[in-house]
Amino acid sequence: DVKVTQSSRYLVKRTGEKVFLECVQDMDHENMFWYRQDPGLGLRLIYFSYDVKMKEKGDIPEGYSVSREKKERFSLILESASTNQTSMYLCASTPYSTDTQYFGPGTRLTVL
Amino acid sequence: GENVEQHPSTLSVQEGDSAVIKCTYSDSASNYFPWYKQELGKRPQLIIDIRSNVGEKKDQRIAVTLNKTAKHFSLHITETQPEDSAVYFCAAGGWGNNDMRFGAGTRLTVKP
Repeated sequence: DVKVTQSSRYLVKRTGEKVFLECVQDMDHENMFWYRQDPGLGLRLIYFSYDVKMKEKGDIPEGYSVSREKKERFSLILESASTNQTSMYLCASTPYSTDTQYFGPGTRLTVL
Repeated sequence: GENVEQHPSTLSVQEGDSAVIKCTYSDSASNYFPWYKQELGKRPQLIIDIRSNVGEKKDQRIAVTLNKTAKHFSLHITETQPEDSAVYFCAAGGWGNNDMRFGAGTRLTVKP
């Protein structure tokens, strides 16, 4: 059974803080993704990674960066959090040979 | 990149009725079309998927149809039950999932 975990379920930060969201998967998946989920906008892709140290921008990368130093871990970084980054953040992973995405439980981030 | 539109945004049906959710996509190279169900407070989970070499796929009360020429695909739920109430997301992507895009979601409510 695939397991994708995220470091926090709820997080409250202040404007200007640096924020780290971490995602870990235990199935040796090649591809990992970060989405943000907002009402009426669905899931929007921020960044994805198809291998260690590899990253690609998604639809809304501005204000975010990512890090993939190990295959199982994909980190999303908000260099200087802003209130418009208040959202639900979902991590997902998928094995290279199939396309089904497995999601983590999500992190609800509030930036005050 | 891929653009996925999903309709309707909300859908309310009586228990036992059918529900249909439709999605259109823009990238003719897309060949994988999954549907995810997200219950309140939980992560999205795959319920059914279809690939471009198949026109229809069925799994008990759930079916998905794909029209590659028109670039649209639909989710059909028959004999709806209250536990079908959730937000449903469609998605479209190419091989390897490096470019998966999601629709904005449909909130389905099944009234007992």
